[in-house]
Amino acid sequence: DVKVTQSSRYLVKRTGEKVFLECVQDMDHENMFWYRQDPGLGLRLIYFSYDVKMKEKGDIPEGYSVSREKKERFSLILESASTNQTSMYLCASTIPSGRGGTDTQYFGPGTRLTVL
Amino acid sequence: AQTVTQSQPEMSVQEAETVTLSCTYDTSESDYYLFWYKQPPSRQMILVIRQEAYKQQNATENRFSVNFQKAAKSFSLKISDSQLGDAAMYFCAKNNAGNMLTFGGGTRLMVKP
Repeated sequence: DVKVTQSSRYLVKRTGEKVFLECVQDMDHENMFWYRQDPGLGLRLIYFSYDVKMKEKGDIPEGYSVSREKKERFSLILESASTNQTSMYLCASTIPSGRGGTDTQYFGPGTRLTVL
Repeated sequence: AQTVTQSQPEMSVQEAETVTLSCTYDTSESDYYLFWYKQPPSRQMILVIRQEAYKQQNATENRFSVNFQKAAKSFSLKISDSQLGDAAMYFCAKNNAGNMLTFGGGTRLMVKP
C-alpha cells in the first residue's frame, strides 16, 4: 500500500512565523502536490513537483513556497504566516499517466494549521 | 480552465438505501480519468473508484458504482446499501494534461440510522 505521511496533524502558529509542513511518500512517486482545503471551496492546488528540485505553481501559490530536495519528500513553507492561511493542508503523490500510472493521487492525513 | 462541478453540497440517505451523487465536468479531451474520493470526518482522503474514459463499461467497486455518460460529461456515483461508515465528504475529480487533478467542490453525505 502507498503511504503518504505528513509531519503534523495539528499545528498552531503565530502571525509572522515561518512554518514548515513536510510530506513523505514511500512509493517512489514522481509527482507530489500540496493543496489547501477550505469549506465550500474544495481542494485548491498550491504547488506541485514532478521531480527533485523541480516545482510548479498551482492555482494559489501566493504566500507559499516549496522545496523538494529528495524524491520522497516535499515541503511546504509559509514564509510569514498570516491568519488567512488558517486551513487544512493536504499532500498527495502520484505516478503520472504516460509513465505507467493513472494520475491517481494518494493523500496524506492532512495538517490542520491555525494561525493566531 | 477545466472545471468539475458537484451541484449537491449536501445529501442524506437512510441506512441500507441507495444514493446517487452527481458530478459534471468540462473537457475537450477524448482520453482521461475520472475519480471519486471519500474523506471521512477527521480521516484521510481515499480513492473510492476510478473510471477510464475510453472504457464504455461503468466501473464498480463492491457497493460503489458509477454512471459514466461521456457525451453528457457526467460522472455520478451510486452507493448501494448505504452504511453509517459511508458518511463523509465525497469529491469528484478529473485528470488533465498536466497530470494534475481538478476537483469538484465536494458533497457532504449524511447517513441516517
